[in-house]
Amino acid sequence: SQQGEEDPQALSIQEGENATMNCSYKTSINNLQWYRQNSGRGLVHLILIRSNEREKHSGRLRVTLDTSKKSSSLLITASRAADTASYFCATAVNNDMRFGAGTRLTVKP
Amino acid sequence: DADVTQTPRNRITKTGKRIMLECSQTKGHDRMYWYRQDPGLGLRLIYYSFDVKDINKGEISDGYSVSRQAQAKFSLSLESAIPNQTALYFCATSDSSVGPQHFGDGTRLSIL
Repeated sequence: SQQGEEDPQALSIQEGENATMNCSYKTSINNLQWYRQNSGRGLVHLILIRSNEREKHSGRLRVTLDTSKKSSSLLITASRAADTASYFCATAVNNDMRFGAGTRLTVKP
Repeated sequence: DADVTQTPRNRITKTGKRIMLECSQTKGHDRMYWYRQDPGLGLRLIYYSFDVKDINKGEISDGYSVSRQAQAKFSLSLESAIPNQTALYFCATSDSSVGPQHFGDGTRLSIL
């Protein structure tokens, strides 16, 4: 069963705009990770945030984690057409990693 | 060369056939995983292995079996394929049970 659930399921924006995706989960976690999947390819790890961290940055990516609300958000700033992909959150609990169903992001040129 | 290589990339077969999907890695990771991806359901874990002598069932292991032939090789078998096993299958590796996973590009399997 899924642990993380992404919202929205699909998001369409113009190039240059910011994209925000959310992830909610149900149980306590060790960490939460975000992955990206281009069409026809495997998932690529983007960023990991530990349960004792509240915010993390990597280039144009900003991830927040609110363990009291059991939620995380991924913000992509100044989006580009090449950011078009599906984005998944994954929660790590002990030896178990659970992936959500993903958000499909389309960035229009 | 890719760090995690899956073969074949695409396979079409018939109900009842035995299928083997192969995965090899050059990352030197002990942990390897097999996932299945279906539209709208995300990834679901089929089997995972923490080293050559350690095999564990995942969320949806029924109808599947695995073999860890070496640290670098982890194969998934469908003993008697059925149409609802049509899906995209991914192999992944990790050096930690809670760390980032590294994925192959998947095998698209269609069972008629």
